[in-house]
Amino acid sequence: AQSVTQPDIHITVSEGASLELRCNYSYGATPYLFWYVQSPGQGLQLLLKYFSGDTLVQGIKGFEAEFKRSQSSFNLRKPSVHWSDAAEYFCAVGGIQGAQKLVFGQGTRLTINP
Amino acid sequence: DTGVSQNPRHKITKRGQNVTFRCDPISEHNRLYWYRQTLGQGPEFLTYFQNEAQLEKSRLLSDRFSAERPKGSFSTLEIQRTEQGDSAMYLCASSLRGFYGYTFGSGTRLTVV
Repeated sequence: AQSVTQPDIHITVSEGASLELRCNYSYGATPYLFWYVQSPGQGLQLLLKYFSGDTLVQGIKGFEAEFKRSQSSFNLRKPSVHWSDAAEYFCAVGGIQGAQKLVFGQGTRLTINP
Repeated sequence: DTGVSQNPRHKITKRGQNVTFRCDPISEHNRLYWYRQTLGQGPEFLTYFQNEAQLEKSRLLSDRFSAERPKGSFSTLEIQRTEQGDSAMYLCASSLRGFYGYTFGSGTRLTVV
């Protein structure tokens, strides 16, 4: 079945440490790729997106993501996390078979240790 | 640009009652989407409008759910005869064209008791 997989349900890192959140998708063509962040009880804020071109994309809040076609992956990275980065992170895929919907992964909850 | 606005932010209702949520998209966006997010899960697509036309519907959108966008501006999502399983966050998003400017609102949290 076509899907978006975020293998890590929960990740804990220390403040100042580097971060990588994984995302894999199982669609044949290159879709539109997104990372969103959600604080408790809030809506989704777009961190970054990939449509085409340079496979390393820069986003807000110091985040970046790299699209790797051969691995069907779009992993999110940050060189040094801050306590305010604690939240739920969602990878999403759009444009599957021409549809306008986004298909989301299950999410990764990020906890920051002081 | 005031963003995507959703009202109410929270709704508590008794099982069997009808509820209606409203979404006001970004003014120049002609595409509007509804998603549902249950606890611990990613959002799931419900339906999509381009202007006033409802172009895609998920099988999650049972007969008890109906969405409208009468003049191609705001949209409403109605749930009839609510069930406890309808408890979720209902998110609205809008976009200018395709996936450009795809912006989510803060959501309406529904609790069915």
